This record gives sequence, C-alpha cells and structure tokens, in this order.
Amino acid sequence: DQQVKQNSPSLSVQEGRISILNCDYTNSMFDYFLWYKKYPAEGPTFLISISSIKDKNEDGRFTVFLNKSAKHLSLHIVPSQPGDSAVYFCAASRAQKLVFGQGTRLTINP
Amino acid sequence: NAGVTQTPKFQVLKTGQSMTLQCAQDMNHEYMSWYRQDPGMGLRLIHYSVGAGITDQGEVPNGYNVSRSTTEDFPLRLLSAAPSQTSVYFCASSLYRGPLNTEAFFGQGTRLTVV
Repeated sequence: DQQVKQNSPSLSVQEGRISILNCDYTNSMFDYFLWYKKYPAEGPTFLISISSIKDKNEDGRFTVFLNKSAKHLSLHIVPSQPGDSAVYFCAASRAQKLVFGQGTRLTINP
Repeated sequence: NAGVTQTPKFQVLKTGQSMTLQCAQDMNHEYMSWYRQDPGMGLRLIHYSVGAGITDQGEVPNGYNVSRSTTEDFPLRLLSAAPSQTSVYFCASSLYRGPLNTEAFFGQGTRLTVV
C-alpha cells in the first residue's frame, strides 16, 4: 500500500516557465513533508519542507503548498532553470521515519 | 566537511555471499537510517537508529542486519545475498529531536548487483 504517491513519472517544462510537481498521501498522521532532488549517481539532497500546521513555505524559486483536507502536496519552481532537471521525490514523515513517493523526473527544455 | 560517506560505490555479489555496506557521518547526528531505491518504488526504509546502541526495523528489514556501536558509523549487513536485493542503497543521517522532524542528509549511494 503506497502511502505517498507521485502519479506523474515525468514532466517536461520550458525554461523560464513554472514547474508544478504533485504528491498525494493517505496517512493523516504524517506531520512533516519534504521535497528532495536527485541527480544521477548522487544521493537525494534536501530542497524544502513544510510542517503540517502550515499551508505554504517559500524558499527563493521554490514554494511548497500543503492541502491537508485533500492530503495533497505540491512543489512550484518559478522560473524553471536547466539545472532544475532532476528526479524529485516527495516524502512524508512522522518521528523522522520518511516515506517516499516514487519520484517525478523533471526535464527543463531550453 | 564530508557529510555522509558510503563505501563501496559499486558491488557485485554472488547469490549466498555476505557483505557489509559501510556508512559514516561526521555531523554528530544521532539519527541514521538505510534506504533502498528500486525503479518505480521510491526509497524504502530498511533499518534506522536513534543513537548508539539503539536500532529498529523499517519497512523492508528482511535479509539485512544493522548495528550502531558509535554515533558516526551505521553499517548494513547482507547475511546471504539474493537477486531481490539488487538495488541502490542510501544511508542518511539527521539530528534527532524526538517527535520533531529534521531534514535528512544522504550519502551518494551504493549500487549493489546480486547475480
């Protein structure tokens, strides 16, 4: 049973436009949500997080939105840059045990 | 500042062989964990530790053992390798704040193939 789902395996966006990556979860006990970025042959690197008591967190070009009633999480990247091309994982946490989604491969086209 | 270091980066094992994947961190993090990444399944938690001498099972612990004798090191042992254990393994560490959450830092991964 997949508790955290990223239903889009891939996404292609033009450079300079907005990239929106989506994530759904089923367990209402999760209290912390994170996005990780992964390049090939490297480990995931932390990008941005949000506590379940908030609905938005912003860090530069990256904004994470949380809709608890819908159990939905999204990551907005504006403007998208070529270096943003990577696999993005959303993760949900309770007491630091992370549950990951399957990942979405984002490709930024020039 | 090395962060989280995993060795080896690549390994090929024969079915039935045993080996240990090494993980070390220099950030004085209490919490360490092991994940495996398989195509289409994201990362899944194998084992974790909240401090030296304390370990617990994650989502997919069968076939793996861990120990935590020091804060810095958290080795993962494959007792008798099986083809189903072919995967990319990631070690991670983070500060431990009890019920509060902090972001995890990951190593570069070990790509293991069992033939």
